[in-house]
Amino acid sequence: NAGVTQTPKFRVLKTGQSMTLLCAQDMNHEYMYWYRQDPGMGLRLIHYSVGEGTTAKGEVPDGYNVSRLKKQNFLLGLESAAPSQTSVYFCATLGLGVSNQPQHFGDGTRLSIL
Amino acid sequence: GQNIDQPTEMTATEGAIVQINCTYQTSGFNGLFWYQQHAGEAPTFLSYNVLDGLEEKGRFSSFLSRSKGYSYLLLKELQMKDSASYLCAVRGIAGGFKTIFGAGTRLFVKA
Repeated sequence: NAGVTQTPKFRVLKTGQSMTLLCAQDMNHEYMYWYRQDPGMGLRLIHYSVGEGTTAKGEVPDGYNVSRLKKQNFLLGLESAAPSQTSVYFCATLGLGVSNQPQHFGDGTRLSIL
Repeated sequence: GQNIDQPTEMTATEGAIVQINCTYQTSGFNGLFWYQQHAGEAPTFLSYNVLDGLEEKGRFSSFLSRSKGYSYLLLKELQMKDSASYLCAVRGIAGGFKTIFGAGTRLFVKA
């Protein structure tokens, strides 16, 4: 997906380890979102940001932290990974004042916690 | 509360027409989106409805009734490549334009 890059694409962690997922965008979008997608469930919003320096909780924020120090980057951190956090994580962006426009998604990060 | 319901799975035949329904209950409404998602890939945008009625885009059409909290995605002239999950999503009006996603409908297209 042009414009939204997620790193890494795959990762295996042991319980208790920490890691940071990076979402980078080059579309100058104000809004950025982190979702997780589990089998049989839709995308669930973890945290989001409405602009540089801002973050807010979504519907499933526990166990995650985020930062938006630069407009183009949105970081998702797992301080102490748990098997329940095994999932596919998607980052998405949205431009300001364009409510009829869809979100732009990254290719996803597949994370396994052993 | 907020909730989106759509069927878990559907099967249809190549060349046929299939309709995927979506019902929703949300605290605020700022548009309904349909996305296609192939296995192992990111969702890709198909359609957007904010007013009642039908929006047509090639082989795909989407309908919205805000009073009924109901939408459907219509796929015509089905092709094997249409085998995918189809996600119904509703955007809210609160800060951040947060979007709620349904669990998705897995469509299997058979020859």
